[in-house]
Amino acid sequence: NAGVTQTPKFQVLKTGQSMTLQCAQDMNHNSMYWYRQDPGMGLRLIYYSASEGTTDKGEVPNGYNVSRLNKREFSLRLESAAPSQTSVYFCASSRTSGGDYEQYFGPGTRLTVT
Amino acid sequence: RKEVEQDPGPFNVPEGATVAFNCTYSNSASQSFFWYRQDCRKEPKLLMSVYSSGNEDGRFTAQLNRASQYISLLIRDSKLSDSATYLCVVNKGGGATNKLIFGTGTLLAVQP
Repeated sequence: NAGVTQTPKFQVLKTGQSMTLQCAQDMNHNSMYWYRQDPGMGLRLIYYSASEGTTDKGEVPNGYNVSRLNKREFSLRLESAAPSQTSVYFCASSRTSGGDYEQYFGPGTRLTVT
Repeated sequence: RKEVEQDPGPFNVPEGATVAFNCTYSNSASQSFFWYRQDCRKEPKLLMSVYSSGNEDGRFTAQLNRASQYISLLIRDSKLSDSATYLCVVNKGGGATNKLIFGTGTLLAVQP
């Protein structure tokens, strides 16, 4: 049982380049999330998808776009990378968008923008 | 004021010690509370949910004080394997979406 998978694990980009982070879950969860984690900041929500076909902005959406491709997959795109987007990115999923449900996290993508 | 505040530590304790972490949250509308554990360079994983009545899971006890907007985690008989960062997590409250607010974490280092 893979749970939540993310690709790539590591990436180095130059300023202005674009890339897409991929996330997939095999737990039949309805809700999926993208977070970034920076030292001293805690995890911050970038975008989320409460259910297939819907996406909404989180706390720090600027510079990012998302696509909920199907129930399993939720991708995060950086159109023009900036050094401020250097971070660790985590994808997560939960059974539904109710507040009581555990979120399961992927292993993370470590992104460096030079 | 941060929405969720934790003492960053580090807490350096010997094996077998009892250690307590505290957390405060600012949104009185929050309804769900959790402790997550994050090992170095790994993803967060749920340690336990926190209920109003308090709850215990083996060596771990979590308590919630809604009036003071305060959450605690007690670890008894610390093991080397307990070394990790402990994240206090609170549901943002309101609406139908599971938006979690994460504290910056408290680092625990259990020494042999």
